Amino acid sequence: KNQVEQSPQSLIILEGKNCTLQCNYTVSPFSNLRWYKQDTGRGPVSLTIMTFSENTKSNGRYTATLDADTKQSSLHITASQLSDSASYICVVRGAGLTGGGNKLTFGTGTQLKVEL
Amino acid sequence: DGGITQSPKYLFRKEGQNVTLSCEQNLNHDAMYWYRQDPGQGLRLIYYSQIVNDFQKGDIAEGYSVSREKKESFPLTVTSAQKNPTAFYLCASKPTGNSNQPQHFGDGTRLSIL
Repeated sequence: KNQVEQSPQSLIILEGKNCTLQCNYTVSPFSNLRWYKQDTGRGPVSLTIMTFSENTKSNGRYTATLDADTKQSSLHITASQLSDSASYICVVRGAGLTGGGNKLTFGTGTQLKVEL
Repeated sequence: DGGITQSPKYLFRKEGQNVTLSCEQNLNHDAMYWYRQDPGQGLRLIYYSQIVNDFQKGDIAEGYSVSREKKESFPLTVTSAQKNPTAFYLCASKPTGNSNQPQHFGDGTRLSIL
């Protein structure tokens, strides 16, 4: 069964500090992995995407890494800001499946709170 | 601005009542999706549509129905057969043909039972 597990479930950090969120998956075969940011009461917004051949991708203060051999990804947030408070969702797309449409497996998210 | 609009933002359902959630996009995307989000769970796919006048069941379609009469619109009806409808419902769209393109999400509808 395809699964995406994220840790920690929740995290509180002080403004200006760095943090790293983890994502482990069992989806196989693998197509790509994407990190989304979801503010409370809003829809998710894509931060980064990585395919099998990529092992790091940055978007401003967000840097994602991927180890396709161990099926692990991380999202590193540098110099956190209050606006980084949100849920961060790891989503893995499988490959080679029939039927078209959606082949995504969603993690349950890490709830990050940045405090003064 | 291009985007996805979901309405209403909050919706209440009475016992035995069907309710319809609206999803409209002006991104010219062919594919549209409905998800359900519950606390502590990942998004779960209800229905999706790759093209006008065609749609497919997702993982949790029971108690829901959809239509896709126009490219821009993909309404979701939560029927009285859905016994646990309280959740946050998200609509998404994406262009077809490139799996690396992200799904664009609306800002959701929160459905509660009266």
